[in-house]
Formats: sequence, C-alpha cells, structure tokens
Amino acid sequence: QVTLKESGPVLVKPAETLTLTCTVSGFSLSNAAMGVSWIRQPPGKALEWLAHIFSNDERSYSTSLKSRLTISRDTSKSQVVLTMTNMDPVDTATYYCARFTRPYYGMDVWGQGTTVTVSS
Amino acid sequence: EIVLTQSPGTLSLSPGERATLSCWASQSIGSSKFAWYQQKPGQAPRLLIYGASIRATGIPDRFSGSGSGTDFTLTISRLEPEDSAVYYCQRSGSSHPWTFGQGTKVEIK
Repeated sequence: QVTLKESGPVLVKPAETLTLTCTVSGFSLSNAAMGVSWIRQPPGKALEWLAHIFSNDERSYSTSLKSRLTISRDTSKSQVVLTMTNMDPVDTATYYCARFTRPYYGMDVWGQGTTVTVSS
Repeated sequence: EIVLTQSPGTLSLSPGERATLSCWASQSIGSSKFAWYQQKPGQAPRLLIYGASIRATGIPDRFSGSGSGTDFTLTISRLEPEDSAVYYCQRSGSSHPWTFGQGTKVEIK
C-alpha cells in the first residue's frame, strides 16, 4: 500500500523558516517512474502547486515562490523535505505532498495534509 | 507561466443531470500532461483524470475528460449526490512549473 504522510510544525512565526517532511511508504524515491510534489491550500482557497522532485534529483519550483523554496530528498529515509523561508501570515495553509508517476505525471496518491499557521 | 482558467465558478444541478466543466489554458498544453482532481470538504484531492482523458484507478465511468491544446473539459454524465465537490484542472510535465486552475464547485440540488 502506497502512503505519504506530512509532518512539521503547526505554528510558525513571521520571518521564520518552515521545514516540512513527507515520509513515503510502499514505493521507493529512487524509482525512475515516480516523484513527489508539494501543494498547498490556504483556508477556503484553491490548490497551489509549490515544487516537485524526480528520482534523478531534477527539481522544479513555483515561479512566484522560487526564491523561498527548497525541495530535497533522502532516499534512505524515504523522505522528501520542503523548506520555505521568510514565512508570512499569507502562507497559512494546509500543505500536502503527493506522488506522481511518469509519463503522465498524475498525482495519484496524496498525503492527508498538514495545517500550518503563521502568526506571532 | 501558463494560466489555467476554469468555468463556471459554481455549477448547481440535480441528481441524474449532466455536468460540463471547462478549463482553458493561456498557452497550448500537451494533452498528456493535463489532469483533473476532485476535492471534497476536509479531504485531500483525488486524481480523476490524467492524460486529459484517462480515468484513474477506481474512478466511475460517468466521469470523462476530453480536449487538447488550450481547451479541456470534464464531463460527469449522470450526477450522483456524492459528486458534490470542487474540481480542479492541472497542468504538469517534466521541465516547467505546474499549475492548477482556480476550481469549479459542483453543488447537487
């Protein structure tokens, strides 16, 4: 069974750096046909894609957030980590990680999401 | 960056009716890199359609996707009460940023 689970702080202060971890099971992060994306959703708003990473370490970032985001993976721990710097209250959202598979890149398995609030 | 625009914002229909959701891209998209997702309140999104027209595993055949280039459509042929949700279109691919549309809310009367 394929699962993904997000973890990280519930509350961060403005200007701090957020670090979120996606722990996967049921597939390998070194599988050439698969990768992991991060997506967020502010309360009552639409989904926003943030970043993804492939098995060959190729990465891509949201154009508007590129300067603040870093995505990395630790294959031995089956984890994908997303860091977002200089957090602001507008970054308050539920953050999801999801697996995608080549060649169509559909995100077929999602984590349950983790809610992050940015407040002093 | 490609922008996806969904229409209508909200669709209110009765059970058994047909729902047609549209998604327009600001530039031409390879249809193999286009998907639709369903999201119910309090839940993570679920992949419905990928490759513009391929149903994901376990998705009922009343859901169908079509389109290419800049115009894509999700059709729900006979609405069921459990189809009440927000539907998102999405563009993916290997070498560029991905994007979502702003969503269409489907309400069942």
